[in-house]
Amino acid sequence: DSGVTQTPKHLITATGQRVTLRCSPRSGDLSVYWYQQSLDQGLQFLIQYYNGEERAKGNILERFSAQQFPDLHSELNLSSLELGDSALYFCASSVGGGGFSYNEQFFGPGTRLTVL
Amino acid sequence: SQQGEEDPQALSIQEGENATMNCSYKTSINNLQWYRQNSGRGLVHLILIRSNEREKHSGRLRVTLDTSKKSSSLLITASRAADTASYFCATDDGSGTYKYIFGTGTRLKVLA
Repeated sequence: DSGVTQTPKHLITATGQRVTLRCSPRSGDLSVYWYQQSLDQGLQFLIQYYNGEERAKGNILERFSAQQFPDLHSELNLSSLELGDSALYFCASSVGGGGFSYNEQFFGPGTRLTVL
Repeated sequence: SQQGEEDPQALSIQEGENATMNCSYKTSINNLQWYRQNSGRGLVHLILIRSNEREKHSGRLRVTLDTSKKSSSLLITASRAADTASYFCATDDGSGTYKYIFGTGTRLKVLA
């Protein structure tokens, strides 16, 4: 158990809909990272927040947005969903905000999103 | 090829044998990390090697880094059935932009 929690575990929805994925980082971690893992794209970094502020942006679509709240939990919002958005979405956390290279990341169990 | 490509894509060995998987990348990097992922689960950090290091050990794991060849290898010695998983290398792109790139992964199967 990494200490990172994600809800829900599974989510099934229809095209065009909007969903929110939630992540609670490990106690004491200030950074939250979001990743998307699909069969055709592999594991893609989406975005990083550090202590409430956006720190780095990866291959995140404009239809997707995220935020980190004062209690450090984070939400990833996915809107106008398409079939191709079906994937595993992972959240990870780390102590510092110095970027991937300098912080070991602890991954949550993931949310499996299925868009029908 | 993509930044962070693992080779082979899949590997099947007997318990007790050593498993070696390789990662190649394209840009200069600050660090390289290896992660393990059990089927459908989150990734688990295994080891980080910095660009000025050539070799690092952690238990049964040995990682090497050759920055001149832009490649890294992960060796798992005396493999166990519990080592069955996918293994990913991950790198930054050296630019300091915090963009993190994972490889395509090697699926390792250890047969009991």
